[in-house]
Amino acid sequence: GENVEQHPSTLSVQEGDSAVIKCTYSDSASNYFPWYKQELGKGPQLIIDIRSNVGEKKDQRIAVTLNKTAKHFSLHITETQPEDSAVYFCAAILYSGGGADGLTFGKGTHLIIQP
Amino acid sequence: DAGVIQSPRHEVTEMGQEVTLRCKPISGHDYLFWYRQTMMRGLELLIYFNNNVPIDDSGMPEDRFSAKMPNASFSTLKIQPSEPRDSAVYFCASSLNQGQETQYFGPGTRLLVL
Repeated sequence: GENVEQHPSTLSVQEGDSAVIKCTYSDSASNYFPWYKQELGKGPQLIIDIRSNVGEKKDQRIAVTLNKTAKHFSLHITETQPEDSAVYFCAAILYSGGGADGLTFGKGTHLIIQP
Repeated sequence: DAGVIQSPRHEVTEMGQEVTLRCKPISGHDYLFWYRQTMMRGLELLIYFNNNVPIDDSGMPEDRFSAKMPNASFSTLKIQPSEPRDSAVYFCASSLNQGQETQYFGPGTRLLVL
């Protein structure tokens, strides 16, 4: 099965600086990579995703990059704000034939934005 | 849309008792997933359903865990008998078929088994 490694486990950055979270996956056939943000006491919420036929995707202050050869993908948050403080999870999955499957998650990164 | 609804939000029980967690997926979603979150193991998939049919239950820890989906708008996860190591946050998520991969998570049920 798929195995996803995520680093770092904790990341502290100054407000306004950039934050980068990295993940590696084991199954080269995986083709969908979502990122979830989990705030205290809430369920994970999708913030951005990328498919294997795309190398980079941006949505305002957040971006995700994918290197299929190296089997790793990263989340980039620019101009960080206090509300970005949360736990971030990467995940990987193989989708085929329109069928959904369960996600394999990384262990999470606790992002702390220092004022 | 109300999103995925889970109940109860918190549950405290004693070892050996039966626990039932409930989930109402987003209307129209064909897939329903049950995950468990702990500090040690992170987020783990327990079981998922497609059109009310269990597809993969390989993540269910042991026979003490069972899940049902009697109709498209309701699912339960039952633990009987419960043990302290079952203490965790249990999430339900749902998603559309037809290539829609986004899974929408509920707020979770925080379970504490004493």
